[in-house]
Amino acid sequence: EVQLVESGGDLIQPGGALRLSCAASGFTVNSNYMTWVRQAPGKGLEWISIIYSGGATYYADSVKGRFSISRDSSMNAAYLQLAGLRAEDTALYYCARVSRGASKIWYFDLWGRGTRVTVSS
Amino acid sequence: SYDLTQPPSVSVFPGQTASITCSGHKLGENFASWYQQRPGQSPVMVLYQNNKRPSGIPERFSGSNSGDTATLTISGTQAMDEADYYCQSWDSNTAALVFGGGTKLTVL
Repeated sequence: EVQLVESGGDLIQPGGALRLSCAASGFTVNSNYMTWVRQAPGKGLEWISIIYSGGATYYADSVKGRFSISRDSSMNAAYLQLAGLRAEDTALYYCARVSRGASKIWYFDLWGRGTRVTVSS
Repeated sequence: SYDLTQPPSVSVFPGQTASITCSGHKLGENFASWYQQRPGQSPVMVLYQNNKRPSGIPERFSGSNSGDTATLTISGTQAMDEADYYCQSWDSNTAALVFGGGTKLTVL
């Protein structure tokens, strides 16, 4: 079955660090574009990071310099390292696979169920 | 940054047509995708590449994209279509993926 399963969310103090994991099955992470999207309580979806099949990485301005995306082919998983956490980082974090068509065609065709991060003292 | 604007809410009677818009500068020169999110669930893609339906998405979901506006149209809306809907596109200037703010569709 093709699926994504996130883990690693927790209650963490401001300034703390956390690593989120996204285990993939049914496809190869390294051959795809993997991304993280978050949703604060009662709010909309916010894209935060992507890792290309070729290894390039990009971040939203809101997390640039604090979050880091990576992957591990042996585990067939993607990761999001969170650091310098703030109250506004409190959210449900989704892992998703992004598919590309021709130029400018990008879409999220597979989502996990999310892992919750709460930043509070 | 590239912004996509959606109306916060849209209401429709069962069996009628619902239209949800997504506005962004020259959005029509890019491609839009749409996602449905029911309460407590993960988002599900209902349209990609402006108007293509993934396997399993009913034919009543359709889309268009021209000028500055992409539109998701749900024909013969059913109670099960009540959800939040998000548009999404790509900002070529920053390589950022962008979501609209979301629209809550209420089936009256």
